[in-house]
Parts: sequence; C-alpha cells; structure tokens
Amino acid sequence: AQSVTQLDSQVPVFEEAPVELRCNYSSSVSVYLFWYVQYPNQGLQLLLKYLSGSTLVESINGFEAEFNKSQTSFHLRKPSVHISDTAEYFCAVSTGNQFYFGTGTSLTVIP
Amino acid sequence: DAEITQSPRHKITETGRQVTLACHQTWNHNNMFWYRQDLGHGLRLIHYSYGVHDTNKGEVSDGYSVSRSNTEDLPLTLESAASSQTSVYFCASSESFGGINTEAFFGQGTRLTVV
Repeated sequence: AQSVTQLDSQVPVFEEAPVELRCNYSSSVSVYLFWYVQYPNQGLQLLLKYLSGSTLVESINGFEAEFNKSQTSFHLRKPSVHISDTAEYFCAVSTGNQFYFGTGTSLTVIP
Repeated sequence: DAEITQSPRHKITETGRQVTLACHQTWNHNNMFWYRQDLGHGLRLIHYSYGVHDTNKGEVSDGYSVSRSNTEDLPLTLESAASSQTSVYFCASSESFGGINTEAFFGQGTRLTVV
C-alpha cells in the first residue's frame, strides 16, 4: 500500500519569507499527486495537482510544487507567504482508485 | 454549480445511540468516500463506494456502515455511538481516469460529539 509522509507537522514562518512544505510518498507506480489546504472549520480544498505533463505545477495564489519521480517527492513551495496562507496543508497521492493522505502540516505565518 | 454537502454540520449524541450522517453530491461522481479527521492522524478512510450498491471497508470501519442506493448519496451510520467516535467526519467524491482517482471534492465536514 502507498504511504505519504509529511515530515514537518508545524512550520512557522515570517510574513513575506519563503516556505517549503515537504511531502514524500512510498511508491513511484503510476500516481496522481495533490496538495490540499484546510482553513479552520472548513473542508479540504484543492490547492494544486499533478496528473501528467510538466512536473512543475502552480496554483493561482502563488504556490508551486514539483513532481520528482526519482525521489518520490512532491514538495510545496511559495516564495513569499502572506498572513492569509496560515492553514493546514495536506499532501495526497492517488493510485489504484484510492487516495492516501499525509498527516498534514500546520503552516503559521507570523506578522 | 456542482457541490458536495454534508448534514448536519454539528451533532451531539449519547453513547449507544444510532447516528446517521448524510452526504449528497451533485457532481455525478461514481466514487465516494468517508473519512474521519483526528489530531495527529490526518484523514483516515472509513468506507468507500465505487458505484451504486458497491461499498467497501476502509482502515477504520469498525462500528460504521454505509449504503449506496443512488449515485448522489452515501450516508454513514454509526450503529452504536462510542466516545472514541467523537471526531470530524468528511465526505468526498471523485471520478477516475485510467483507473486512478482524479481530484477529490470534499464536503464541509460534520463535527460529531459522543457524550
């Protein structure tokens, strides 16, 4: 079975600083990759996804993630964070008609 | 716009009672999932369905059941609620492409407290 590891459970970062949230998964068999964001008392919303094509994918609010097949990683990055980016972030892998989620990274942006 | 809705948003129930959480999607997706979210555990799969009359157990299915009588709905039933089932429950739906699930769409969640 697939497993997804988010190494950092909490990441504090100052406003306008860069951030990287790390995600590794266990198997490089055909997969789709996702990052979801969860704001307090809300459901998960898709931030970005990799299905095929370019290994670098971007979201509309400045996040990007790169699919690295050899390292089985899909790290999320943003060059300059904003207060509104404070949220829980989940990495997810889809393979064989199942989703596998990491345990989440709590990003806190400090003014 | 298509959506996935859960009801109720909040529920308090007593130990031993039967509780049903509703999930309704208008995406016309074949695949539907129930997860519970607990601090430190992320999302854990309870049950899932790949189509009408299809149901499957996930990693934490004990004490829960689902039924799929149509494409739109996958209600989750707690047969006899226990305090360990106090959690936030999320329903999700997706379609698959080439045998792999594409994007999952989530409901807003149901916060269940068992007292």
